Amino acid sequence: EVQVLESGGGLVQPGGSLRLSCAASGFTFNTYAMSWVRQAPGKGLEWVSAISGTGRSTYYADSVRGRFTISRDNSKDTLYLQMNSLRADDTAVYYCAKGGAVAARPTFDYWGQGTLVTVSS
Amino acid sequence: QSALTQPASVSGSPGQSITISCTGTSSDVGGYNYVSWYQQHPGKAPKLMIDEVTNRPSGVPDRFSGSKSGNTASLTISGLQAEDEADYYCSSYTSSSTDVIFGGGTKLTVL
Repeated sequence: EVQVLESGGGLVQPGGSLRLSCAASGFTFNTYAMSWVRQAPGKGLEWVSAISGTGRSTYYADSVRGRFTISRDNSKDTLYLQMNSLRADDTAVYYCAKGGAVAARPTFDYWGQGTLVTVSS
Repeated sequence: QSALTQPASVSGSPGQSITISCTGTSSDVGGYNYVSWYQQHPGKAPKLMIDEVTNRPSGVPDRFSGSKSGNTASLTISGLQAEDEADYYCSSYTSSSTDVIFGGGTKLTVL
């Protein structure tokens, strides 16, 4: 059974940093792209970032480029999102999502339950 | 990059059919066959219902179908059921600097 489980969310002050993790199981992790998608409270979905199966290619939304870094450790079947210079409008539930063979495509067939990031002083 | 345009809400009675539209541009919906649809119940993670415009993943009822004409993609749900009441989001690949965009979401109410 495919599972992805996020962790690392919490309360952080504006300008601070946080690292999210996503542990995957039930599939051959290194052959699939992975993405982060977020949802602000009461709002719609927003794609944040994607990474290829090998980790060599990364993609970012304009809203986070230069502040967030996506990475993966295929030896641990784990995806990461390092978030720096956090702002109030980064407050959201962050979902880890399994993609297809090609990164930066809008097909996400398995999602975690999400982890809440709150940026507030 | 602006979000794809969806109606804020649609409604229908059990057994009826409804269609949700998703309008973009030639740089996203109209230019590529990479349009997906997601269903999200309150407090739950999104679920993939349609990908690559018309493809229905295993386990998704055949009451759900997707199509595209020009810059507008559509999700049709036939034989509406109470459990179909949820928020629906479209998503597309885009040639802009942000590679994937979502629509603003449509709340489906089953009367």
